[in-house]
Amino acid sequence: DSGVTQTPKHLITATGQRVTLRCSPRSGDLSVYWYQQSLDQGLQFLIQYYNGEERAKGNILERFSAQQFPDLHSELNLSSLELGDSALYFCASSVRQGADTDTQYFGPGTRLTVL
Amino acid sequence: GENVEQHPSTLSVQEGDSAVIKCTYSDSASNYFPWYKQELGKRPQLIIDIRSNVGEKKDQRIAVTLNKTAKHFSLHITETQPEDSAVYFCAAIRGDYKLSFGAGTTVTVRA
Repeated sequence: DSGVTQTPKHLITATGQRVTLRCSPRSGDLSVYWYQQSLDQGLQFLIQYYNGEERAKGNILERFSAQQFPDLHSELNLSSLELGDSALYFCASSVRQGADTDTQYFGPGTRLTVL
Repeated sequence: GENVEQHPSTLSVQEGDSAVIKCTYSDSASNYFPWYKQELGKRPQLIIDIRSNVGEKKDQRIAVTLNKTAKHFSLHITETQPEDSAVYFCAAIRGDYKLSFGAGTTVTVRA
């Protein structure tokens, strides 16, 4: 157990809908990263927050957004869902803001299925 | 942006043999190279990492080598065991928060 928690574990929804995925980082970690893992692809970095502020953006679609709250938990919002958004969504956390300085600890993931 | 290529995509080895996975990156500013192991249905877990000021790092049966000039780094697993069967991902990370992952290598260790 990495200490990173994600809810829900599974989510099934329909095209066009909006969902929110939640992540709680390890105690003391200030950075949260979001990743998408599709069946035929590796890990795609989406976005990073550090202490409440957006720090880096990867291949995140405009239909997706995220935020980090004062208690450091983070939410990833996915809207106007398409079939291709079906994937495993991981969050990871680390102590500091530099992705090149700290180990990232991954949560168990949320499996999103869009029907 | 950074492009990380990982080879091979699948690797089958006999138990006790060695496994080698290679990644190449394009951005010379990348300075941190972690390797993650992901078992089926589980989260990625860091198994070893190397920074750009080091050429090699070992941790028991696992080693990573980095060639900055050629922009490639490799994961070496010796004396493979069935529990080494998993998907392995490499990543190249820059100090300005750019992260790129390889597509993954599915390693199968045959008993």
